[in-house]
Amino acid sequence: IAGITQAPTSQILAAGRRMTLRCTQDMRHNAMYWYRQDLGLGLRLIHYSNTAGTTGKGEVPDGYSVSRANTDDFPLTLASAVPSQTSVYFCASSDRAGDTGELFFGEGSRLTVL
Amino acid sequence: GQNIDQPTEMTATEGAIVQINCTYQTSGFNGLFWYQQHAGEAPTFLSYNVLDGLEEKGRFSSFLSRSKGYSYLLLKELQMKDSASYLCAVRDSNYQLIWGAGTKLIIKP
Repeated sequence: IAGITQAPTSQILAAGRRMTLRCTQDMRHNAMYWYRQDLGLGLRLIHYSNTAGTTGKGEVPDGYSVSRANTDDFPLTLASAVPSQTSVYFCASSDRAGDTGELFFGEGSRLTVL
Repeated sequence: GQNIDQPTEMTATEGAIVQINCTYQTSGFNGLFWYQQHAGEAPTFLSYNVLDGLEEKGRFSSFLSRSKGYSYLLLKELQMKDSASYLCAVRDSNYQLIWGAGTKLIIKP
């Protein structure tokens, strides 16, 4: 089934540990995004990539890094996790040349930093 | 700054009609989206408006007034499965999406 796959779906992590959230899409979309979603707040953009080989900073990039070596994969790394990074993380992709450029989301990764 | 406002929570009765409003102030405008998000799940695309007026899709309709910075999502013939959060998002001049905090819709029998 075409779509976006995120891993892991859930993780508990000790503060200070390094963590990479994986995201893979098979729709050949050029743009990919990482959002975090916290209770009472809208989705907040962490990093994005408009095309393979390029990345950009979103609204809340501090403490996170991304890479886009190819079209399909867009991993998000927390170099040294802190409790404020406890959140649900969604990866998304879009075809910016498409009709609406709507976003397609992965199922989310629930991260708890203790 | 950029801002999207929508009510935090609404309650409606099964079979009825509900209107969820969204007002926005953004740097430029390149379209407005509505997404549905069931608890514990990912957001899914509902509708897209870029021109003024009403877009109808089955039981769901979305309206846009760019001059007023205003949109609404209209849900007809409500079903229990419509209980979810509804997210309004505006694409700004940099082609980035600005998201509202979402409206939690509770459907009662």
